[in-house]
Amino acid sequence: DGGITQSPKYLFRKEGQNVTLSCEQNLNHDAMYWYRQDPGQGLRLIYYSQIVNDFQKGDIAEGYSVSREKKESFPLTVTSAQKNPTAFYLCATGQGRDQPQHFGDGTRLSIL
Amino acid sequence: GQNIDQPTEMTATEGAIVQINCTYQTSGFNGLFWYQQHAGEAPTFLSYNVLDGLEEKGRFSSFLSRSKGYSYLLLKELQMKDSASYLCAVDPSYLNAGNMLTFGGGTRLMVKP
Repeated sequence: DGGITQSPKYLFRKEGQNVTLSCEQNLNHDAMYWYRQDPGQGLRLIYYSQIVNDFQKGDIAEGYSVSREKKESFPLTVTSAQKNPTAFYLCATGQGRDQPQHFGDGTRLSIL
Repeated sequence: GQNIDQPTEMTATEGAIVQINCTYQTSGFNGLFWYQQHAGEAPTFLSYNVLDGLEEKGRFSSFLSRSKGYSYLLLKELQMKDSASYLCAVDPSYLNAGNMLTFGGGTRLMVKP
């Protein structure tokens, strides 16, 4: 069954802690993206990757880090430097220009 | 810079027609996407416009005017399940940016009986 799997669905972070959100895809798409969505807001781009071992900062990359060691995987780490991490995080994949991005079901991150 | 504007909220009646507008000012433009997002769920793709004009897909249609920097999503025969947020997203056509998108803030549509 092709798709994008994000885990966990809910995540709680303690002060000073780094947490990692998982995103796995079996769509064979080259590009992968991480977005942050705050309540009642649109999506803001955190990081994106167009190819393995390469990634670029989006509009709000501060306090976040990513890796792209495999085509299928694009984990996002929310570091302790991100002072307001509470949000809904969405991972997406893309297969090129003029094609829609496909989204995972999201991870909701809250502070304990 | 990028600027994409949509109304924050709209309300309509079941069975009616509603038009959700999106205006954009971006440093480049390749095309415009519309997504539907139910609360707490992932956005799902509705439509894509590259050329001026109307694209029709069942109850949903999307219109684009590149010269005016304007698009709308038209929903006909509204159903209760259409209550959701509708996101407008522009592909700004940066070189080497793949299909990186810039999203508007979304329009929350409430359909009443």
